[in-house]
Amino acid sequence: EVQLVQSGAEVKKPGESLKISCKGSGYSFSTYWIAWVRQMPGKGLEWMGIIYPGDSDTRYSPSFQGQVTISADKSISTAYLQWSSLKASDTAMYYCARRAGGGGYFDYWGQGTLVTVSS
Amino acid sequence: EIVLTQSPDFQSVTPKEKVTITCRASQSIGSSLHWYQQKPDQSPKLLIKYASQSFSGVPSRFSGSGSGTDFTLTINSLEAEDAATYYCHQSSSLLYTFGQGTKLEIK
Repeated sequence: EVQLVQSGAEVKKPGESLKISCKGSGYSFSTYWIAWVRQMPGKGLEWMGIIYPGDSDTRYSPSFQGQVTISADKSISTAYLQWSSLKASDTAMYYCARRAGGGGYFDYWGQGTLVTVSS
Repeated sequence: EIVLTQSPDFQSVTPKEKVTITCRASQSIGSSLHWYQQKPDQSPKLLIKYASQSFSGVPSRFSGSGSGTDFTLTINSLEAEDAATYYCHQSSSLLYTFGQGTKLEIK
C-alpha cells in the first residue's frame, strides 16, 4: 500500500528555521516525483515545488523560489521542505503528494503538516 | 505561469442535482488537466486525470471533459457526501498550478 506520512504539527516563532518531512512507503521512492503544496488558512491549494528523489532534480514555483528549500534522502525514502527564517505568513497546512508515474497528476497525498508561526 | 480560473467560486446545490464546474486555462494545455476533491480537514483526493479519465475507485457520477483551454467537471445526481471544495490542476509544464477552488454546499 502506497503511503506518504508527514511529520507532526509545528509551532515556531518568526525568524526560526524549520524542516518538515514526508516519508514514502509501499513503492519505489526514488522513481516518483514528490511535490509540496501549501494551503493557507481558509484558502486554496498552491503548488510550491517538486523533486525527483532519484537525482534530486528540483523545480520551484516562481512564488516560492528562494523562500523554501526542497530536498530528499532516497536512502530513507524521505522528502523535506525547509525554511531558514520563518515568517507569520508561512502559517499554513503543507501537503506532500506523489506525482503518478508517467503522469502529471498527484495520485497519493500525505496527511498534511500544520505549521504555525507566531510570536 | 499558466493561470487556471474556476467558476463558480461557490455553489449551493440540492441532492440529486447535476453540477457543472468549469476551469479555464490562460493558454492551451492540451489534456493536462486534473481534478481533485477536498473535504474539510482532509487531504485532497484525485477524481479525474487528463481531463476525462476517472481515477480508480471514484464514483461514476463524476466525469470530466474538455481540452485546450476549457474544461468541465460534472457531478451527476449529487449526493450529500459530495460537499467539498473542488480544484483543477494543470501539468502542462513542470511549473504546475491549481485553480482557486469551487466550494460546493449541499442544501
